[in-house]
Amino acid sequence: DADVTQTPRNRITKTGKRIMLECSQTKGHDRMYWYRQDPGLGLRLIYYSFDVKDINKGEISDGYSVSRQAQAKFSLSLESAIPNQTALYFCATSDWASGFNEQYFGPGTRLTVT
Amino acid sequence: QKEVEQNSGPLSVPEGAIASLNCTYSDRGSQSFFWYRQYSGKSPELIMSIYSNGDKEDGRFTAQLNKASQYVSLLIRDSQPSDSATYLCAATSGAGSYQLTFGKGTKLSVIP
Repeated sequence: DADVTQTPRNRITKTGKRIMLECSQTKGHDRMYWYRQDPGLGLRLIYYSFDVKDINKGEISDGYSVSRQAQAKFSLSLESAIPNQTALYFCATSDWASGFNEQYFGPGTRLTVT
Repeated sequence: QKEVEQNSGPLSVPEGAIASLNCTYSDRGSQSFFWYRQYSGKSPELIMSIYSNGDKEDGRFTAQLNKASQYVSLLIRDSQPSDSATYLCAATSGAGSYQLTFGKGTKLSVIP
């Protein structure tokens, strides 16, 4: 079974709709991250969380919100989707105790906003 | 702005040759460096990490770090067509090194 799972894997939605992307992990890691990837722009950090009570904005948090429901679950919401949020979204995890911040990625969600 | 720079490629090498991928970073405070492999439409897969100056070898992969020159490289020996992918370089940034800054990736094509 995959260590980091994301649902849905593909989603097409309309402008203005609220959608949620979910991430779950069985790695036992405490840190979780949300990235988006766009052609030519690389991976950019949206939000990150060190534990259930610690949520931090990343480089491009505008238009997004997150919820850390448990150590193993981290959700990303688009409150009112817009076309330029069309991208590939990845969740990642890392283990603080390792000291090296090696991040492990989920399979991704391809989101299209029409 | 902290940056990680990579040549976008494509880098084409014949099968069996050595592929050399390069990366420079701007943040002198970066402590840890990573190479990820990403196949088209798939998620990044961690293949190498390096934390101190010098070389680190793992199978056909060798990562090299030179902090004085702010330079990281990845060598792939005996390149195979299955190595054809985009390779992302990443460096830690921020207090406590909890964030990664990624380069935009170098696309490698191994020609049979």
